[in-house]
Amino acid sequence: QSALTQPASVSGSPGQSITISCTGTSSDVGSYYYVSWYRQHPGKAPKVMIYDVTKRPSGVSNRFSGSKSGNTASLTISGLQAEDEADYYCSSYTSSTTWVFGGGTKLTVL
Amino acid sequence: QLQLQESGPGLVKPSETLSLSCAVSGGSISSTTYYWGWIRQPPGKGLEWIGSLYYSGSTYYNPSLKSRVAISVDTPQNQFSLKLYSVIAADTAVYFCARHLRDHDVFDIWGQGTMVTVSS
Repeated sequence: QSALTQPASVSGSPGQSITISCTGTSSDVGSYYYVSWYRQHPGKAPKVMIYDVTKRPSGVSNRFSGSKSGNTASLTISGLQAEDEADYYCSSYTSSTTWVFGGGTKLTVL
Repeated sequence: QLQLQESGPGLVKPSETLSLSCAVSGGSISSTTYYWGWIRQPPGKGLEWIGSLYYSGSTYYNPSLKSRVAISVDTPQNQFSLKLYSVIAADTAVYFCARHLRDHDVFDIWGQGTMVTVSS
């Protein structure tokens, strides 16, 4: 199975909004609402920020939101803060009863 | 609060077997609500799902690793394990265990990760 496609890097200034895309196929992102997003700071374990495309776990800021259109899911972070600088990964369930991650996006807060 | 803790050798020789365990505390591995999974991350690279297991013993593996992987559960010890056979240098990575929520297919709780280096 191929990794989901994410941009290698995105950047934004404090207070701005950024969007990270995650492109899959009709066998994963396009067919299921089981897309999740994870934030990973250096040397740390990933933390789930969004699941089921749009849902936020308890304790995650409402500055994080998710959406999906066709085979592409997106994570939007509004009101960028320094603490948002990290690597972000998307993940999806697939029709083969497997799970696949995206290649990761490095977010830089300028 | 449920916690996961990986354990195992930090160095494995090429062609040998990588063996890791994940101890589950603060909850039961026999819950019908969850899968239990392994994910790895080579140095400087992205996450790769290795496989997931249901407490009954049903397993699901990444097709690219399926021929070399085995994940098993030890219900009395409340832990699950990963074996990766015939390892090569490219298997060098941080290995994470994670709880995997079935109805939402999300890895909601992760262990801290353990670094495994494949080298002679």
